[in-house]
Amino acid sequence: KAGVTQTPRYLIKTRGQQVTLSCSPISGHRSVSWYQQTPGQGLQFLFEYFSETQRNKGNFPGRFSGRQFSNSRSEMNVSTLELGDSALYLCASSPYGQGGAQETQYFGPGTRLLVL
Amino acid sequence: KQEVTQIPAALSVPEGENLVLNCSFTDSAIYNLQWFRQDPGKGLTSLLLIQSSQREQTSGRLNASLDKSSGRSTLYIAASQPGDSATYLCAVYRGAQKLVFGQGTRLTINP
Repeated sequence: KAGVTQTPRYLIKTRGQQVTLSCSPISGHRSVSWYQQTPGQGLQFLFEYFSETQRNKGNFPGRFSGRQFSNSRSEMNVSTLELGDSALYLCASSPYGQGGAQETQYFGPGTRLLVL
Repeated sequence: KQEVTQIPAALSVPEGENLVLNCSFTDSAIYNLQWFRQDPGKGLTSLLLIQSSQREQTSGRLNASLDKSSGRSTLYIAASQPGDSATYLCAVYRGAQKLVFGQGTRLTINP
């Protein structure tokens, strides 16, 4: 099976712009989670989608949003970019999506966003 | 609020040594704990997953232990190799599809 794919891999934007990142989960996985990784804050959970519905959300401002399509592909959008949004954005998919001790997530390579 | 701490933040050892990475967490009500590896600028690779009812897991030269009552996990790497150089992250899972990560240990194996 192909792994989790993310596009684009690198992105440069300027403050005030918006950006959309894409994630294709492993075939058959219905749960997709997004994380932000920065040197200062480490890896932080953004949100999770399951069957086109946002089920869980981390502590990020409303400028960060996402959606999931019927084929489980997911996009996240960041509006009105700030310098502090520069980060590696990681997407992860899960085969179960039901929680529990066996639950694990498979991560994509990430999209590195630089905001100037 | 669940907090995960990893010590040390960085570690440099000569090739061939056995080493231990530490992870502690504040809330013992977890479903599982995972160890990941991250190479510079790359995504995460899952190394080992320990379910809450388990005490340890092994994969090749890696062995991870879990002591839920004390809120601790260790990752033991035997006979280290230069290719083991990477950042190692532990993460706890308490449901809601949300992993809580430590800050990682940056490991350098010197030939």
